[in-house]
Amino acid sequence: DIQMTQSPSSLSASVGDRVTITCRASQGISNSLAWYQQKPGKAPKLLLYAASRLESGVPSRFSGSGSGTDYTLTISSLQPEDFATYYCQQYYSTPAMYTFGQGTKLEIK
Amino acid sequence: QLQLQESGPGLVKPSETLSLTCTVSGGSISSSSYYWGWIRQPPGKGLEWIGSIYYSGSTYYNPSLKSRVTISVDTSKNQFSLKLSSVTAADTAVYYCARRKVAGTLDYWGQGTLVTVSS
Repeated sequence: DIQMTQSPSSLSASVGDRVTITCRASQGISNSLAWYQQKPGKAPKLLLYAASRLESGVPSRFSGSGSGTDYTLTISSLQPEDFATYYCQQYYSTPAMYTFGQGTKLEIK
Repeated sequence: QLQLQESGPGLVKPSETLSLTCTVSGGSISSSSYYWGWIRQPPGKGLEWIGSIYYSGSTYYNPSLKSRVTISVDTSKNQFSLKLSSVTAADTAVYYCARRKVAGTLDYWGQGTLVTVSS
């Protein structure tokens, strides 16, 4: 199965900062990658799919890039509501084998 | 607006079967464009894919759980269900139902329900 490794596991930043989170797959996944945001006590929210496509209603300060095995989520200017945990998910494999990264917790500095 | 709502017991005894239902409102579970899935999250940990089902009944299960998992669909009630047998404390988690696009992303989620396995 495809393993997804996120880095860093946690990150401290300030409002207005630009932050980048990385997700590495154990094999190529042809941009079949989604990013989710999860706030405490809430369900995850889909932010991006196909590595770089913004889900409807998601602010444009969120962007994604990458190819092959390496992908990034960038938040161009952090807002107070962006402090949350972020997960990547690959959907390249058979639907029985979809996998998530372990998460990156973004905290206020 | 599509909504998903999980329901079921919050406490299950070890070795018994965990049973949850997801009720879909604001849209049809019989849409050809979507699958319907279950994901879980142990307290303080990450997300684990459990499996998904199409309205026709075709299923995909995480191999690590396949021997214990059954996902079914009831199109007449616009619901789908999860059964996980022989549970242990390791199955304690928040269980989410979600809509899965054919491509694989999860665009609508239920609020989640905590299931604790304990005697």
